[in-house]
Amino acid sequence: AQSVTQLDSQVPVFEEAPVELRCNYSSSVSVYLFWYVQYPNQGLQLLLKYLSGSTLVKGINGFEAEFNKSQTSFHLRKPSVHLSDTAEYFCAVSEPGTASKLTFGTGTRLQVTL
Amino acid sequence: NAGVTQTPKFRVLKTGQSMTLLCAQDMNHEYMYWYRQDPGMGLRLIHYSVGEGTTAKGEVPDGYNVSRLKKQNFLLGLESAAPSQTSVYFCASLSPGQGSYNEQFFGPGTRLTVL
Repeated sequence: AQSVTQLDSQVPVFEEAPVELRCNYSSSVSVYLFWYVQYPNQGLQLLLKYLSGSTLVKGINGFEAEFNKSQTSFHLRKPSVHLSDTAEYFCAVSEPGTASKLTFGTGTRLQVTL
Repeated sequence: NAGVTQTPKFRVLKTGQSMTLLCAQDMNHEYMYWYRQDPGMGLRLIHYSVGEGTTAKGEVPDGYNVSRLKKQNFLLGLESAAPSQTSVYFCASLSPGQGSYNEQFFGPGTRLTVL
């Protein structure tokens, strides 16, 4: 069975600083990987996804993530954060042929301050 | 397009009461999902459907039932609510193989409190 680990429950960062949110997964087969963002009192919005091909994936709002198969990681990065990036970020994994079901990590709360 | 909508947005129930949460999507998506979100636990899949008239259990199906009588609607029922079902419920839909492959689109959520 697949699983996702987000070790950091909270990440405080100053505005305009870089940030990395960590995600590790486990699966016995090839997987698809996703990062979703949840702003307060809202649903989830897709930031980016990795299906195949280039291991560096660019998403919306200046975020990017790198797939590392040997380390089973899919860390999310942004070179310079804004106050508006304050939100909950979820890493998720899906295995091909499983009706696209998602298994989510427990989430990382990104808090951007001045 | 409204996308994925959920009704109601908020609800308070007493233990033992029943209710139905409605999810509707206007994107002609084949697959639909119900998740629950609890603090520190992320989102967990309750039930899902890969087409009209079909449903299947997810990770945490106990205490819930679902129906998919129409392609655009996916109903989640609680027959006898328990305080452990206090949560935020999210519905999602997906159309496999149409451009945004494997992207689930989420509704705004329903906040349910069971007293």
